[in-house]
Amino acid sequence: EVQLVESGGGLVQPGRSLRLSCAASGFTFDDYAMHWVRQAPGKGLEWVSGISWNSGSTGYADSVKGRFTISRDNSKNSLYLQMNSLRAEDTALYYCAKDSSVLPGYAFDVWGRGTLVSVSS
Amino acid sequence: QSVLTQPPSVSGAPGQRVTISCTGSSSNIGAAYDVHWYQQLPGTAPKLLIYGNSNRPSGVPDRFSGSKSGTSASLAITGLQAEDEADYYCQSYDSSLSGSVFGGGTKLTVL
Repeated sequence: EVQLVESGGGLVQPGRSLRLSCAASGFTFDDYAMHWVRQAPGKGLEWVSGISWNSGSTGYADSVKGRFTISRDNSKNSLYLQMNSLRAEDTALYYCAKDSSVLPGYAFDVWGRGTLVSVSS
Repeated sequence: QSVLTQPPSVSGAPGQRVTISCTGSSSNIGAAYDVHWYQQLPGTAPKLLIYGNSNRPSGVPDRFSGSKSGTSASLAITGLQAEDEADYYCQSYDSSLSGSVFGGGTKLTVL
């Protein structure tokens, strides 16, 4: 079964850091680009970041550029999101999503259930 | 403000046909980047509904169809059913932003 399982979310104070992880199974992880997508409470989907199959290409939404870093470890079938200088507006459910292509930017055909990040003092 | 513009809500009676529009610009849909559609049922993760403008993944009923023209795309749902009540999002790639972009989402209500 194709599956993505996110972890690492929680309550964190503004300005602090958090690292999200996504464990992939059921498909050849290093054949595909991967993404993080977030959804603030009661709001729509927002693409956060994407990474190509070999980590050679990464992209970030303007709202997180310079604060968040996406990475992957193909030997561990895992995707990561290092989030620094967190702000209240980063509060959201963070989804890990599989691209249907090797390069980021096509359709997201598999989604995890998400991990909740709450930024508050 | 989302890069891709969708109507906040649409509604229809069971059995009817509804369409949801997605309007972009010359740096995304108009630049020939494909449009994809997702369905998000209440309390669940999004699910890919249409990819590559008009293609359905395995298991998606043929009541759902997509099209694209110029800087816009549309999702059509025929034979509306109660279980279609959900939020729908369009998504594409934007060359100016060098990243994927989503529409603001459309809430479909089945009357």
